[in-house]
Amino acid sequence: ELKVEQNPLFLSMQEGKNYTIYCNYSTTSDRLYWYRQDPGKSLESLFVLLSNGAVKQEGRLMASLDTKARLSTLHITAAVHDLSATYFCAVDLTSGTYKYIFGTGTRLKVLA
Amino acid sequence: DAMVIQNPRYQVTQFGKPVTLSCSQTLNHNVMYWYQQKSSQAPKLLFHYYDKDFNNEADTPDNFQSRRPNTSFCFLDIRSPGLGDAAMYLCATSRGTGQGRNEQFFGPGTRLTVL
Repeated sequence: ELKVEQNPLFLSMQEGKNYTIYCNYSTTSDRLYWYRQDPGKSLESLFVLLSNGAVKQEGRLMASLDTKARLSTLHITAAVHDLSATYFCAVDLTSGTYKYIFGTGTRLKVLA
Repeated sequence: DAMVIQNPRYQVTQFGKPVTLSCSQTLNHNVMYWYQQKSSQAPKLLFHYYDKDFNNEADTPDNFQSRRPNTSFCFLDIRSPGLGDAAMYLCATSRGTGQGRNEQFFGPGTRLTVL
């Protein structure tokens, strides 16, 4: 069964702290995406990771991909309240089906 | 700006009364998707089109139908909405390529309430 698991599911952290969200997947894929979703809103693309070892950074967020371990991480540096949201990873099934498997999501709350 | 547009943003319907949600895109993407998302859950794929080729998920209820009359538009029809169909419905597009960037672009969503 194809699975994409994120942990933790919930994360409450203080402003200024660092933390990492993990995304493990069970299928072969070399394309992985991270999305952000604010409450009541749609999904916004954050990072596109296209190969083993890919690392992308935007502000306080950095995403990486290890296709051999089937693992992606989203690292938060010196968290601020504005980062509070739900974060989803999604794996691209590169079998020609043009489908994506979403992770369970991580709800992040940054406390002032 | 190229984008994905959904209408309406909020839809209230009565139990059993058919409803149609619409999605349009100016990205000229090959693939269009419909997702259902309930509170605190990941989006659940209902179906997708690659061009005119329709792909239905095995667990999508028969109550849900879709049409894609042209590249730009896609519709979600819910024939007899039940209380359990209340959710956010997300339309998304992607280029539909086997290599390179293929991220999905999401519309703002339609929040469906069933009374």
